[in-house]
Amino acid sequence: NAGVTQTPKFRVLKTGQSMTLLCAQDMNHEYMYWYRQDPGMGLRLIHYSVGEGTTAKGEVPDGYNVSRLKKQNFLLGLESAAPSQTSVYFCASSYSSSGGKTGELFFGEGSRLTVL
Amino acid sequence: LAKTTQPISMDSYEGQEVNITCSHNNIATNDYITWYQQFPSQGPRFIIQGYKTKVTNEVASLFIPADRKSSTLSLPRVSLSDTAVYYCLVGGTGTASKLTFGTGTRLQVTL
Repeated sequence: NAGVTQTPKFRVLKTGQSMTLLCAQDMNHEYMYWYRQDPGMGLRLIHYSVGEGTTAKGEVPDGYNVSRLKKQNFLLGLESAAPSQTSVYFCASSYSSSGGKTGELFFGEGSRLTVL
Repeated sequence: LAKTTQPISMDSYEGQEVNITCSHNNIATNDYITWYQQFPSQGPRFIIQGYKTKVTNEVASLFIPADRKSSTLSLPRVSLSDTAVYYCLVGGTGTASKLTFGTGTRLQVTL
């Protein structure tokens, strides 16, 4: 049981380049999330999805796009990378949208992105 | 959503009990209190969740007073491997997308 898997784990980009981070979960969860974490900071929600074919903006969505074409996959795209997007990106999934029972978030190991 | 306040950091010696308190004065009636643990270079991991009174599992206890305006995560007999950042989150149904991970409490355990 792999849980939540993120690829790639590390990537270095030049300013203006594009890339896609892939998140895959095998727990049949409806809800998926992309967070970013900067040094010494908590996690900030970028985008999330409440089901296949749906996406919504989180706290810091600018500069990112997402897609949820399949229930098990949630893609995060950077169309034109900027140094301010240097961060560690975490994907998470949950069974329900509850912040309480059944809403436990399961996180991936993170993807470290550096934009030069 | 209820805002949470935690100490920025705590230090402990191995073998001691550690109590981390979280303040959430504006907690709503249907909100649960959840604690996550994060090790360096890893995603956060669920530790424990509660609604009221006391909850205990194999790794921690969670104490919630009657007014639910605060909660205390208790780690018994910590070891070096408990060195991590601990986050307190408060939320109820439909709030998972709005949960805020603050800066958490950085626990440092030494010999």
